[in-house]
Amino acid sequence: GEDVEQSLFLSVREGDSSVINCTYTDSSSTYLYWYKQEPGAGLQLLTYIFSNMDMKQDQRLTVLLNKKDKHLSLRIADTQTGDSAIYFCAETKEDKIIFGKGTRLHILP
Amino acid sequence: DADVTQTPRNRITKTGKRIMLECSQTKGHDRMYWYRQDPGLGLRLIYYSFDVKDINKGEISDGYSVSRQAQAKFSLSLESAIPNQTALYFCATSDFGENQETQYFGPGTRLLVL
Repeated sequence: GEDVEQSLFLSVREGDSSVINCTYTDSSSTYLYWYKQEPGAGLQLLTYIFSNMDMKQDQRLTVLLNKKDKHLSLRIADTQTGDSAIYFCAETKEDKIIFGKGTRLHILP
Repeated sequence: DADVTQTPRNRITKTGKRIMLECSQTKGHDRMYWYRQDPGLGLRLIYYSFDVKDINKGEISDGYSVSRQAQAKFSLSLESAIPNQTALYFCATSDFGENQETQYFGPGTRLLVL
C-alpha cells in the first residue's frame, strides 16, 4: 500500500474546525510533518511533531499523533478563507521525506 | 529575495526536445531535491542530492537526469520530452537540524509538453 495516505478533498464551513487525517506506514519515522500549498505556490512547512509526542498546538493548529495506529491529524480551528489550500502529510523514511497525495481543503461561505 | 528559485517558471516544449529546469538556493543547504506534482498523485520524488558529489534516483527517475553543479545549484534535464512529462516541477532544499528535516520549496515550474 501507499506509504502515506490521506483523503483528497475536505469541505468545511467558514468558522468551523477542519480536521485533516493521515495514516503512515513507517513506525520508525522520528518526525511527521504537515505542509501547506497555496494556489500557484510551492509547499511550505506548516508544523511538525516529534514521534514521542501525542499532541502539539500552535495557535489555531493542533496536531494529534496516534503512534500505535500510525495516525496523524491536523485540526484547524475557526477555519478562514485563507486556509483554503492543499495540505500534505509527510513522514521521514530512510533519509527521505515521503509525502501523501495531499488533501484539498475547500472553505464554504 | 526568495531562498529557492526556479527557472523558467513556465515552459511549453514539443515532444522530443531536450529541456533543462534550473534551481538555485541561497540557504546554504547541502540537500536538494526535484519533485513532480500531478493532480491526484501528490508529489513524487525524481532525484535527490545530499551534497555536490552525491546524486540519487528517486521513485520516478526514468526519462530524467540531473546535475549538481555546485552546492547552490541543482538542474533537472528531460533528454527527450514526452507528453506525460507535462506536470508541475518543484525543487526543494533541506537542512537537518536537531534530528529533524525541514524542506523548503521553490515556486515551481509548470511544464507543458506538446
